[in-house]
Amino acid sequence: AQSVTQPDIHITVSEGASLELRCNYSYGATPYLFWYVQSPGQGLQLLLKYFSGDTLVQGIKGFEAEFKRSQSSFNLRKPSVHWSDAAEYFCAVGASNNDMRFGAGTRLTVKP
Amino acid sequence: GAGVSQSPSNKVTEKGKDVELRCDPISGHTALYWYRQSLGQGLEFLIYFQGNSAPDKSGLPSDRFSAERTGGSVSTLTIQRTQQEDSAVYLCASHLGGTRYNEQFFGPGTRLTVL
Repeated sequence: AQSVTQPDIHITVSEGASLELRCNYSYGATPYLFWYVQSPGQGLQLLLKYFSGDTLVQGIKGFEAEFKRSQSSFNLRKPSVHWSDAAEYFCAVGASNNDMRFGAGTRLTVKP
Repeated sequence: GAGVSQSPSNKVTEKGKDVELRCDPISGHTALYWYRQSLGQGLEFLIYFQGNSAPDKSGLPSDRFSAERTGGSVSTLTIQRTQQEDSAVYLCASHLGGTRYNEQFFGPGTRLTVL
């Protein structure tokens, strides 16, 4: 079965600094990849997704992610973090058997 | 409604009791998922409903867990004889159906605490 690893449990960045959240997946076929954000007390919201085509995908709130097949990675990036970006971020991989697996999440803290 | 709703938002129960968690998906969404979110564990897939097809129950952790979806809309997740390890946030999500990889819309979750 597919799996997702988010190596960083907690990341702290200063407001205005750049951000990269790591995601590595394991899946034998072409993956369907997602990033979701969960703000405190809120449900999960889709930031972006990759199915095929251009390996650099743009999402909402100024986020982007790049699919690198050779590295089995789908890292999330943002050039300048805002205090409102503090949240939990989840990477997910979808497989052909109707199963979506999520990573354990990375908690982002933004310092003023 | 405008989004996926879940009730109750919080549930505290005693070990051994049965609980029912409810999910109201977005109107017109034919696909519905249940996930469990334990502290530091990410989201664990539990069950998937798509239209009138037989549900994919492959993620249910034990036979104490079951779910129904009546009339292709509201879903209920039932946990019988609850155990302390069942304590978690239970999330419901829905999407339009068709390809599974349409965006899933998540509800706010039900926080279950088993004493």
